[in-house]
Amino acid sequence: EVQVLESGGGLVQPGGSLRLSCAASGFTFSSYAMSWVRQAPGKGLEWVSAITGSGGSTFYADSVKGRFTISRDSSKNTLYLQMNSLRAEDTAVYYCAKCHTGSYYMTYWGQGTLVTVSS
Amino acid sequence: EIVMTQSPATLSVSPGERTTLSCRASQSVSSNLAWYQQKPGQAPRLLIYGASTRATGIPARFSGSGSGTEFTLTISSLQSEDFAVYYCQQYNNWPPSTFGPGTKVDIK
Repeated sequence: EVQVLESGGGLVQPGGSLRLSCAASGFTFSSYAMSWVRQAPGKGLEWVSAITGSGGSTFYADSVKGRFTISRDSSKNTLYLQMNSLRAEDTAVYYCAKCHTGSYYMTYWGQGTLVTVSS
Repeated sequence: EIVMTQSPATLSVSPGERTTLSCRASQSVSSNLAWYQQKPGQAPRLLIYGASTRATGIPARFSGSGSGTEFTLTISSLQSEDFAVYYCQQYNNWPPSTFGPGTKVDIK
């Protein structure tokens, strides 16, 4: 059974940093691209970042480019999102998602982890 | 960036009724369009990909159609568990991949 489980969310002050993790199981992790998608309270879905199965290519939304870094460790079957220079508008539930091979739609989603940026 | 719009924003439907949700792209996305369902407090779930292919385990009452810029999601006979928010997503021209604002289907 495919599972992805996020962790690392919490309360952080503006300008601070946080690293999210996503533990994956039930599939060959290195064969699939992975994405992060966020959802601000009461709002819709916003794609944040994606990484290819090999980790060789990464992609970012303009809203986080230069502040967030996506990475993966295939030895640990874990996806990461390093978030720096956090702003109030980054407050959201962050979902980790497995992407379909060769296409960037999300086939399996985790339950999400809440990041709150506030002083 | 491709902008996705969805209509209506809210749809009030009685159980057993047929309902159609619309999604429009600001430019052609071919058939690279997915639909997701999200219930309160839950993660989104993939329903449809490739504009018309049901994902694994999705009941046959859900169907998708369209290509280019106009897409629809049809639920043939609404069940109680189908009351949720539905999002479309284009994955043709990316990054970024973009989502529509969602359509909330609630009980009439």
